Amino acid sequence: ETGVTQSPTHLIKTRGQQVTLRCSSQSGHNTVSWYQQALGQGPQFIFQYYREEENGRGNFPPRFSGLQFPNYSSELNVNALELDDSALYLCASSLGAQDQETQYFGPGTRLLVL
Amino acid sequence: QKEVEQDPGPLSVPEGAIVSLNCTYSNSAFQYFMWYRQYSRKGPELLMYTYSSGNKEDGRFTAQVDKSSKYISLFIRDSQPSDSATYLCAMSANNYGQNFVFGPGTRLSVLP
Repeated sequence: ETGVTQSPTHLIKTRGQQVTLRCSSQSGHNTVSWYQQALGQGPQFIFQYYREEENGRGNFPPRFSGLQFPNYSSELNVNALELDDSALYLCASSLGAQDQETQYFGPGTRLLVL
Repeated sequence: QKEVEQDPGPLSVPEGAIVSLNCTYSNSAFQYFMWYRQYSRKGPELLMYTYSSGNKEDGRFTAQVDKSSKYISLFIRDSQPSDSATYLCAMSANNYGQNFVFGPGTRLSVLP
């Protein structure tokens, strides 16, 4: 088991609602990345936070936003939920923005949008 | 054509078999290649990390990269039922996580 934790584990929302997902990074890691993994697909990069600043963003609309806190934990917020947002949301922490060899994933939050 | 392609499986093999998992890609700029294992209801776990072409071995696992053919492989020797999982390849032109592209994964079942 990695030291990356995520909450909640499962979530059911309806279209148009807003959701906040949380991630605690591995001790000593200052970089957190968020991914969306649809069923039967590989993870797709949403964005990365390095020392509390956004450090890169994938092809996701602005209704996907995030935060990183001084203790390097992080939140992913999704507004105006759509059915296609149903997926497993993974966070991963690493020692640095360019240190993918040390990137550890959490178990994910499974979001279902009805 | 997708940037990274991977046979989704499922692939079923008997215990003890040698397993070969493969990915092809179209972007010749890719230099960093990774293999992840993902158990059901878990996050991906990094298995192998390689830079550029060549082979890398770690226990029962061997990763191969052939950049001329844009083809990477993961071999699992003496496969065990505990190896049953989805295997994801990922690759990038640089070491920034934001630029890694994942394949869709191959589901492997090792039968006792």
